[in-house]
Amino acid sequence: QKEVEQNSGPLSVPEGAIASLNCTYSDRGSQSFFWYRQYSGKSPELIMSIYSNGDKEDGRFTAQLNKASQYVSLLIRDSQPSDSATYLCAVTFPSGAGSYQLTFGKGTKLSVIP
Amino acid sequence: DVKVTQSSRYLVKRTGEKVFLECVQDMDHENMFWYRQDPGLGLRLIYFSYDVKMKEKGDIPEGYSVSREKKERFSLILESASTNQTSMYLCASRKGVRDYGYTFGSGTRLTVV
Repeated sequence: QKEVEQNSGPLSVPEGAIASLNCTYSDRGSQSFFWYRQYSGKSPELIMSIYSNGDKEDGRFTAQLNKASQYVSLLIRDSQPSDSATYLCAVTFPSGAGSYQLTFGKGTKLSVIP
Repeated sequence: DVKVTQSSRYLVKRTGEKVFLECVQDMDHENMFWYRQDPGLGLRLIYFSYDVKMKEKGDIPEGYSVSREKKERFSLILESASTNQTSMYLCASRKGVRDYGYTFGSGTRLTVV
């Protein structure tokens, strides 16, 4: 069973703080991990991808991956009100015949308070 | 800029109608997907296609069918619309390799009355 688990939130942080979003997944064989941001009424937008254990930084965003613990996280530094959105964790699972699909978590709603 | 275009942003249809949702991508992507998204249920995969003429059932295919006659176009068909198919429908595409994420269209909010 392919499962991606996220705390639904809402997670509230003050402006300027670090927001920490967490995700666990069920399949040790997963190789690719993604974070999407979804504003209310809009479609998901890819913001980070990570494939190897450790940290990957892009501007104010840092993705962290620990395959042994089956855990991936997203840190947002210097959080801004414009970061208020739902963040979806997505994990690649093999789906047979050499193909791969993304399975999405249900998302964590982040609110950044001015 | 790469794009996935869904033909309608909002759609209202009557129960029992046959409904066509169109999705076109200009990225020469092999893989295309249809999801629906409902509050509290997250993204649920309806159908996907790995290449032209190919289609596979996702997690919730009942009441839906798809067509992929050309690489750039993937259509979702509601054979006989019902009120429980009122939802946000999202199309996505991806290059046919493992380490790529999906690019989503802007979505179609379908209301069946």
